Amino acid sequence: GAVVSQHPSWVICKSGTSVKIECRSLDFQATTMFWYRQFPKQSLMLMATSNEGSKATYEQGVEKDKFLINHASLTLSTLTVTSAHPEDSSFYICSASGDWNYNEQFFGPGTRLTVL
Amino acid sequence: TQLLEQSPQFLSIQEGENLTVYCNSSSVFSSLQWYRQEPGEGPVLLVTVVTGGEVKKLKRLTFQFGDARKDSSLHITAAQPGDTGLYLCAGEDYGQNFVFGPGTRLSVLP
Repeated sequence: GAVVSQHPSWVICKSGTSVKIECRSLDFQATTMFWYRQFPKQSLMLMATSNEGSKATYEQGVEKDKFLINHASLTLSTLTVTSAHPEDSSFYICSASGDWNYNEQFFGPGTRLTVL
Repeated sequence: TQLLEQSPQFLSIQEGENLTVYCNSSSVFSSLQWYRQEPGEGPVLLVTVVTGGEVKKLKRLTFQFGDARKDSSLHITAAQPGDTGLYLCAGEDYGQNFVFGPGTRLSVLP
């Protein structure tokens, strides 16, 4: 149980385009989803926390107009990187937790974004 | 601001050796998780500890939560190449806020 998927697993796009990444909890209802960014050889950097049906809470320094997060259902959250630039290239990982495991996060496999 | 420190940052050992990784904070957490992450993949939850002084064992891995719930350790017995990866600890406060440590990168050489 507690499986989280992400799609796509990798994406290459041109500078200026927008990219949408999906995060799905496959076998549980995720009341809270988290979006992280990870640079090579570094730990996870929390970008935002989203609760189903509510606006996401962004960490300091994360542009909410650039990284649009939608958590429209208990099993799906999306992260849209708008007008992507090469500096947005990174490994993006989502995680999810539900009411039954509120003190645990289950991570997706990550999405590798490369902006040319 | 809650911070978690991990030590060592890097560890390279031979197969069969034992090792301990530490996770420390000045803050109290309601629970603490350990994850292992392999390159190009998401972190995988290994264990959650909740009670101060709690010890959990997962095959060759032993996890301990400090009595004051500010620190934790992960001990691996007879390390194997398959244990290679980035080990992350994460503390959770009572408001479902998670803080991740910087990680310990373990390399087990055959």
